[in-house]
Amino acid sequence: GESVGLHLPTLSVQEGDNSIINCAYSNSASDYFIWYKQESGKGPQFIIDIRSNMDKRQGQRVTVLLNKTVKHLSLQIAATQPGDSAVYFCAEISAEYGNKLVFGAGTILRVKS
Amino acid sequence: DAGITQSPRHKVTETGTPVTLRCHQTENHRYMYWYRQDPGHGLRLIHYSYGVKDTDKGEVSDGYSVSRSKTEDFLLTLESATSSQTSVYFCAIRTELVETQYFGPGTRLLVL
Repeated sequence: GESVGLHLPTLSVQEGDNSIINCAYSNSASDYFIWYKQESGKGPQFIIDIRSNMDKRQGQRVTVLLNKTVKHLSLQIAATQPGDSAVYFCAEISAEYGNKLVFGAGTILRVKS
Repeated sequence: DAGITQSPRHKVTETGTPVTLRCHQTENHRYMYWYRQDPGHGLRLIHYSYGVKDTDKGEVSDGYSVSRSKTEDFLLTLESATSSQTSVYFCAIRTELVETQYFGPGTRLLVL
């Protein structure tokens, strides 16, 4: 697979446990945030998004929390499964960046069976 | 992969040769993007397009050019490949209505 995971923080969780992946973003003016999942050898896959006028958004087994005060984003995965093992990226958009996506470095999630 | 294909999927080339990567979409989206992904740098925008013949530079555009002569195809060209351009290249599309980008499967390029 690709070596995109070199030097990335790693979160190891037991199958069935909940996972929390964190992301600190840089621009207080960012108004839209996205979480992506990237499996080895594949392109990033959209998971969930949230706008800056929200604090929380839920999807299927995933929840994104946004704390604008400390510029922090988190992705919670309930009942983590082996298929959740991947690299997870947060991305932000702001007018200051010309409405382009700016990606974080990523976090590796390893699920132990 | 949201109707996005990339070709080739893998390529090995020599320094100084020209290389063209193709991104093809089937859903007539207006916005298309080229990124490169490298360890320690994450995904970085090379060029993007906001319509046929409308393109602009991203943060790492040096050494790359793009063309979009029809809605469905966005081409990335390395005029004279260098070893620093060894990377995995991803194409992405975006709809008119939301900012979310959807990515293709990637092209792994090795420049020797």
